Amino acid sequence: SQKIEQNSEALNIQEGKTATLTCNYTNYSPAYLQWYRQDPGRGPVFLLLIRENEKEKRKERLKVTFDTTLKQSLFHITASQPADSATYLCVSVSGGYQKVTFGTGTKLQVIP
Amino acid sequence: DTEVTQTPKHLVMGMTNKKSLKCEQHMGHRAMYWYKQKAKKPPELMFVYSYEKLSINESVPSRFSPECPNSSLLNLHLHALQPEDSALYLCASSQDTNTDTQYFGPGTRLTVL
Repeated sequence: SQKIEQNSEALNIQEGKTATLTCNYTNYSPAYLQWYRQDPGRGPVFLLLIRENEKEKRKERLKVTFDTTLKQSLFHITASQPADSATYLCVSVSGGYQKVTFGTGTKLQVIP
Repeated sequence: DTEVTQTPKHLVMGMTNKKSLKCEQHMGHRAMYWYKQKAKKPPELMFVYSYEKLSINESVPSRFSPECPNSSLLNLHLHALQPEDSALYLCASSQDTNTDTQYFGPGTRLTVL
């Protein structure tokens, strides 16, 4: 069955370092992957989208990659700040909205 | 305006009560969604409305009843809920059901006693 996994439930890094979050999918090929940020008790906020024919996307300090051979997406936050602390969700979409799958999320803590 | 609003922010109800959650967007989006999210879990899709018609119902119990009165509004009517229904209920919208980005509201924190 279609499955998407975020390999770390939690990640702690020092302020100023680059945070790298991983999303792996199995048994299907998503048309695109999205990354959302969610703060406690709040709705997810869209950050970046990358399509299957794209290798890399950037937005300010954020970068996402999509490797269809490894079936993996990496999400990077450079020069991380305590304000980046949140849960980050990987979401895959295939076959229109009929197949939307959320990852379980990675809780990022940036330590001052 | 890229905002999805939800009311109320918090709701406490007994198992015999009837209440409604409301969601509103003014982005001209024609797809709207209800999700349920339990603590430390990802959102789970409940319903999808496309052009004001229910297009997906993810086998949600009938004690949850969605309604889309117009293209800007989405309601979720609650009746005879169970304590295990306590969760954060999220509304989202997108241009249509084939569009990538969904915009989420802040959620309603529901507690069923």
